[in-house]
Amino acid sequence: AQKITQTQPGMFVQEKEAVTLDCTYDTSDPSYGLFWYKQPSSGEMIFLIYQGSYDQQNATEGRYSLNFQKARKSANLVISASQLGDSAMYFCAMREALDSNYQLIWGAGTKLIIKP
Amino acid sequence: DTAVSQTPKYLVTQMGNDKSIKCEQNLGHDTMYWYKQDSKKFLKIMFSYNNKELIINETVPNRFSPKSPDKAHLNLHINSLELGDSAVYFCASSRRGMGGRTTDTQYFGPGTRLTVL
Repeated sequence: AQKITQTQPGMFVQEKEAVTLDCTYDTSDPSYGLFWYKQPSSGEMIFLIYQGSYDQQNATEGRYSLNFQKARKSANLVISASQLGDSAMYFCAMREALDSNYQLIWGAGTKLIIKP
Repeated sequence: DTAVSQTPKYLVTQMGNDKSIKCEQNLGHDTMYWYKQDSKKFLKIMFSYNNKELIINETVPNRFSPKSPDKAHLNLHINSLELGDSAVYFCASSRRGMGGRTTDTQYFGPGTRLTVL
């Protein structure tokens, strides 16, 4: 079974609108971390934001915020006031504390295109 | 200052050749990783080293051999290259792998695009 599911293979959004990228996860581990990365067309993988399973508040980093709904096992990335430079692939990933190797489990990614 | 660097950025070679990709991190991290990203952008962990010790070795052909001379370097050597090896290879590092916390973020190098002709 997929542990990380990103249901939107691609999205088109008008510049300056807010964007929500979906991520659902599956784990029985009570302690885990969720990460979002951005991969622009230039290819590098850029860390955006982290949410821990025990964090009481939703994580925020500038225009990025994480809508963490633990009961639903979802960790959607919200980008406010989108810009052309936000066009990229976005990956959701999870690390489980019970995994002794602390691997990151990756979603398949969402390709976001911001239209001018 | 570059945190995780890889060389070369592009590598074009013929089938059957042997090639290496080098990775260095100056973040003082204990753990380093190699990932393969295929044409559909799917990221697959290949290897992970913690303080020069191999901790993850996924199902990867034994033509791929990682080498970690010290905890700041993790190189990837590939023997007898095949067409299917064409991909982007990423090196990454994190503060702690085994025994670490779930907060330890992985930081990635710029990637090496390998094309096998």
